[in-house]
Amino acid sequence: AQKITQTQPGMFVQEKEAVTLDCTYDTSDPSYGLFWYKQPSSGEMIFLIYQGSYDQQNATEGRYSLNFQKARKSANLVISASQLGDSAMYFCAMRELNTNAGKSTFGDGTTLTVKP
Amino acid sequence: DVKVTQSSRYLVKRTGEKVFLECVQDMDHENMFWYRQDPGLGLRLIYFSYDVKMKEKGDIPEGYSVSREKKERFSLILESASTNQTSMYLCASSTPVGETQYFGPGTRLLVL
Repeated sequence: AQKITQTQPGMFVQEKEAVTLDCTYDTSDPSYGLFWYKQPSSGEMIFLIYQGSYDQQNATEGRYSLNFQKARKSANLVISASQLGDSAMYFCAMRELNTNAGKSTFGDGTTLTVKP
Repeated sequence: DVKVTQSSRYLVKRTGEKVFLECVQDMDHENMFWYRQDPGLGLRLIYFSYDVKMKEKGDIPEGYSVSREKKERFSLILESASTNQTSMYLCASSTPVGETQYFGPGTRLLVL
């Protein structure tokens, strides 16, 4: 079974609006971390935000926030006030801390296009 | 500032050639990873290493081998390149319980 699911292959958003990128995960490990990465067309993977499974509050980093709903196994990325430079592919990933020796599992990605 | 470098951004090789992809990190990280990325398939783990001379297979190790003789360097080897190994290859490193993996810029490999 796929451990990370990103159901939106592509998303469009108008500049300055907010957008939510969906991510659901599956694990039996009670201790895990969730990550979002941005990959522009140049190819490098840029770390955006991290949420630990025991964190009580949703993670925020500038315009990025992670809407963590543990019971639903959901870790959606919210980008506020979208900018043209936000156009990129976005990956959700999970790292199970008690198993898998620190490996991460990635979703298939969502391509975000910001329209002017 | 953290840094992961890869030996080439673009590489063109012929079928049957032996190909070396090098990755170097300057953060003294224990863990290092090699992924390949193909459209619609996300990132798939080829091999990873959690210490010098230690390696473990990832999800798609067939056709690849790795070498980690020094902590900072992790090499991916294609013993006999094939056209289905045309892909983007990404190297990453992390601490054992780190909050993120740090990625290199990637190598786009074309096998003709």
